[in-house]
Amino acid sequence: EPEVTQTPSHQVTQMGQEVILRCVPISNHLYFYWYRQILGQKVEFLVSFYNNEISEKSEIFDDQFSVERPDGSNFTLKIRSTKLEDSAMYFCASKVTGDSNQPQHFGDGTRLSIL
Amino acid sequence: AQSVTQLDSHVSVSEGTPVLLRCNYSSSYSPSLFWYVQHPNKGLQLLLKYTSAATLVKGINGFEAEFKKSETSFHLTKPSAHMSDAAEYFCVVSAGYGGATNKLIFGTGTLLAVQP
Repeated sequence: EPEVTQTPSHQVTQMGQEVILRCVPISNHLYFYWYRQILGQKVEFLVSFYNNEISEKSEIFDDQFSVERPDGSNFTLKIRSTKLEDSAMYFCASKVTGDSNQPQHFGDGTRLSIL
Repeated sequence: AQSVTQLDSHVSVSEGTPVLLRCNYSSSYSPSLFWYVQHPNKGLQLLLKYTSAATLVKGINGFEAEFKKSETSFHLTKPSAHMSDAAEYFCVVSAGYGGATNKLIFGTGTLLAVQP
């Protein structure tokens, strides 16, 4: 069965450094998402992306964050200048249509640790 | 606005006994509801989804959930727990009717422990 793949599985970065989290969504999916889960807290929506542009972003997704689909397969989340509070598990998800009944398929996540 | 509330943060059952994980939702229209499971150090796996076709929804690994509009509930059940069911379970609602967003709104999760 097709899967969403995320790399790396664990990223350790110094505060203030830039980090790029990578995702390869399922190949025929058109809608892409990033979520994050701070340790001990609920999973939170960050951003949705469709037709090469952001369709919605949360309050968390400030100017330090950006997303890109640089080619036909990758979907990346960049944090320009990381803060300690960016430490979290970041999940990428994709779905095939915009129908709200369609489930999102998640990757295994990238654990980001900011030192 | 859409929301879900998971009523128990931790549930512990013995292997072979029934599982009940409770979820209540709030929605101004017919919701799209999901249950996801997260095993340690793994991603979020879809267990089942409710999409108004049937109120009793069967999912993977013997889990099922019943949509009760009168109670605004979508509880997850399994007749007999297995050790491999130990994980965190999330009740999730999809925001919006459709279109480019449809972000998912997660409950706080229920950690299921299965005792031998």
